Amino acid sequence: GENVEQHPSTLSVQEGDSAVIKCTYSDSASNYFPWYKQELGKRPQLIIDIRSNVGEKKDQRIAVTLNKTAKHFSLHITETQPEDSAVYFCAASNPLAGGTSYGKLTFGQGTILTVHP
Amino acid sequence: NAGVTQTPKFQVLKTGQSMTLQCAQDMNHEYMSWYRQDPGMGLRLIHYSVGAGITDQGEVPNGYNVSRSTTEDFPLRLLSAAPSQTSVYFCASRSGNTIYFGEGSWLTVV
Repeated sequence: GENVEQHPSTLSVQEGDSAVIKCTYSDSASNYFPWYKQELGKRPQLIIDIRSNVGEKKDQRIAVTLNKTAKHFSLHITETQPEDSAVYFCAASNPLAGGTSYGKLTFGQGTILTVHP
Repeated sequence: NAGVTQTPKFQVLKTGQSMTLQCAQDMNHEYMSWYRQDPGMGLRLIHYSVGAGITDQGEVPNGYNVSRSTTEDFPLRLLSAAPSQTSVYFCASRSGNTIYFGEGSWLTVV
């Protein structure tokens, strides 16, 4: 089955710096890769996603890149702000797994990002 | 729309007790699921359902039961609580690839 590895587990940056979180996946059939942000005590919320037919996607200060050949994808946050402090989860969705038309979504272990003012 | 609502938000149980975490969604989503979140483990799928009357096991189903009698409701039952079930539980519904999480239930088993 799919295995998603996420690194680093914790990341500390100064306000204004960039932050990069990397994920690798094992199943080449996975074709959808979302990123979730979870603030302390809150629910995970989707912040950006990318499909396998695209190599990069940007939304203001956040971007995601995908390397299908190497089976890894990354979240890039530029000009970090204290409100970016949260736990970030990557995930990979395999439409052919799980035995249903929904496929199977597998999450990474999470990265605790701390942005120091 | 209220989205996905789950109760209770906090619960302390004694080992061996049983309880039910309630989950409801008003978006008419066929797919619903329960995850548990533990430090360093990410979100792990407990059980899921692709429609009323249909449930299946996820990655970590032991010690939990579910049922899906209606499209809206998907309760999670802990049969005999164990300290290893201390965790944060998230109910979620799904439309295509988009997941909508509930606010979470913090469960402590002592």
